[in-house]
Amino acid sequence: QQPVQSPQAVILREGEDAVINCSSSKALYSVHWYRQKHGEAPVFLMILLKGGEQKGHEKISASFNEKKQQSSLYLTASQLSYSGTYFCGTEITPNFGNEKLTFGTGTRLTIIP
Amino acid sequence: EAQVTQNPRYLITVTGKKLTVTCSQNMNHEYMSWYRQDPGLGLRQIYYSMNVEVTDKGDVPEGYKVSRKEKRNFPLILESPSPNQTSLYFCASSLGSGEQFFGPGTRLTVL
Repeated sequence: QQPVQSPQAVILREGEDAVINCSSSKALYSVHWYRQKHGEAPVFLMILLKGGEQKGHEKISASFNEKKQQSSLYLTASQLSYSGTYFCGTEITPNFGNEKLTFGTGTRLTIIP
Repeated sequence: EAQVTQNPRYLITVTGKKLTVTCSQNMNHEYMSWYRQDPGLGLRQIYYSMNVEVTDKGDVPEGYKVSRKEKRNFPLILESPSPNQTSLYFCASSLGSGEQFFGPGTRLTVL
């Protein structure tokens, strides 16, 4: 079953912050985050493992709450380049190689000047 | 340059005409996957492969076949395409450390 992402879409002004949530009905081993710009392929942002801490990538960071079976992606002081669709991918067992990733339906983020 | 390539990038075909979408990676990755992307449904895994001659079904395998005869190649085969297979298809590969590298995508239209 696909994880549920919220919100489905969000519009921000440059410099504002955003939070994207990813929830699963199953216990998770890891959560992966990808960004896809319009007309392009998804690009890896970060992975959070069970028992791991919050991770960061420039001004984009994420947390993983194992008990709640959810992850959140934080975008601070958003830039125009952050626009795109964000996908979380969840893994319920530690399969090396991520061959069993299940992606959410995506959150479309639009940054306006 | 490390990359995943797919061919063709665009394809329009008719119902029932067998087709193959090729995928190749030059990073010596063991793991490869095929996804389809449809509006509102996100990325859904079709098939994946953990190594040469080792493949398994993903979440939406019906109507598709794959093969992994060489480490670098992972073709997707539609034996008898139908209109509901009209979609954007992505191939991806990974070494096993977390990051999947996606190909540029193949937009398929089945009339």
